[in-house]
Amino acid sequence: SQKIEQNSEALNIQEGKTATLTCNYTNYSPAYLQWYRQDPGRGPVFLLLIRENEKEKRKERLKVTFDTTLKQSLFHITASQPADSATYLCAPYNQGGKLIFGQGTELSVKP
Amino acid sequence: NAGVTQTPKFQVLKTGQSMTLQCAQDMNHEYMSWYRQDPGMGLRLIHYSVGAGITDQGEVPNGYNVSRSTTEDFPLRLLSAAPSQTSVYFCAVQSPGVTEAFFGQGTRLTVV
Repeated sequence: SQKIEQNSEALNIQEGKTATLTCNYTNYSPAYLQWYRQDPGRGPVFLLLIRENEKEKRKERLKVTFDTTLKQSLFHITASQPADSATYLCAPYNQGGKLIFGQGTELSVKP
Repeated sequence: NAGVTQTPKFQVLKTGQSMTLQCAQDMNHEYMSWYRQDPGMGLRLIHYSVGAGITDQGEVPNGYNVSRSTTEDFPLRLLSAAPSQTSVYFCAVQSPGVTEAFFGQGTRLTVV
């Protein structure tokens, strides 16, 4: 069955550093991969989407890579800020309406 | 536009009771999904629908029923609530293709 793994341990970093979150998947080949942010008590909010034929995608301080050989996506936040503290979820996707998420990685950025 | 609206926001049920969690959208998106979120487990897909009259099972469908009679609504039914169904439930909508999902604000359900 499809399996998605994200860093289960919380990631603690200092303000200004780059945060790197990992998403690994097995037993399927997604056409694209989405990243979401979730704050406590709220629903997830979409951040970025990368297609299988794109190696890298950027949006402001965010960067996502997608390696279909390794079956892995990396999510980077550069110049991190305390406001970036949240849980980040990845969702490899093949369309068709069935959107499955990883368990999420909690990021804490300390001032 | 309200987007995705879930009701109620909070609910306490006794074991064996039934209830329906409501999800309504005004975004005209064809796909709708229900997730549950437990500590350390992330979002797990319960059921999803790709259009009116079409539903399918997700990762954890047992104990839940759904139907989709209109594009706008996708109710989730618990026929006989169990403590294991204590969770936060999220509804999401999405359009076909390479598109993002939009989530409701969640329903926090406690079964005692």
